[in-house]
Amino acid sequence: DIVMTQSPDSLAVSLGERATINCKSSESVLHSSNNKNSLAWYQQKPGQPPKLLIYWASTRYSGVPDRFTGSGSGTDFTLTISSLQAEDVAVYYCQQYYSSPRTFGQGTKVEIK
Amino acid sequence: EVQLVESGGGLVQPGGSLRLSCAGSGFTFSDPYMHWVRQAPGKGLEWVGRIRNKPNSYTTEYAASVKGRFTISRDDSKNSLYLQMNSLKTEDTAVYYCARENYYLDYWGQGTLVTVSS
Repeated sequence: DIVMTQSPDSLAVSLGERATINCKSSESVLHSSNNKNSLAWYQQKPGQPPKLLIYWASTRYSGVPDRFTGSGSGTDFTLTISSLQAEDVAVYYCQQYYSSPRTFGQGTKVEIK
Repeated sequence: EVQLVESGGGLVQPGGSLRLSCAGSGFTFSDPYMHWVRQAPGKGLEWVGRIRNKPNSYTTEYAASVKGRFTISRDDSKNSLYLQMNSLKTEDTAVYYCARENYYLDYWGQGTLVTVSS
């Protein structure tokens, strides 16, 4: 199984400042056939289901604000919120869809400092 | 508008069974693979399993933690996905979400709570 490890477990950032979340996979999730990384990021607010933010490691899903950026390749990935807004308070999860079982990171809780 | 609505959750005793349903609308239900993902209270997301579509023989895959106890099925004529859960354990207590696959999981239901307790 591919193990997904996020860091940090939580972070507190001032409004308007940058938040950076890291995700590391135990194996590469890069498809050599299409040169795409099978890595997604989800946002989950309290009492709500997860919402897709980023797929193929760096493609922003429809309607997602451009302050959210995904980057990385192979085994190391980053989700960056360029200017944190109050509505971004949530838990963020990475997930690999390269192989089964599909696995999630443990989550990173983002709060306002 | 794509919608996924889970139902069937509730309180069940350890060793018991429960069947969850997920009704899909707003898309051609028979096309995508479908998943179940769960979340124990205050914990992270755990993938439960998925079912492929008819062209791929409705084959299924499961997490090790549920394999042999849970069964995923679908009835495309009813736009419905199911999760049959047998031999339930207290550690199966969670909110269960169904989700649509587009390689990644692009739509999720609101979830249904399953509580396994005596």
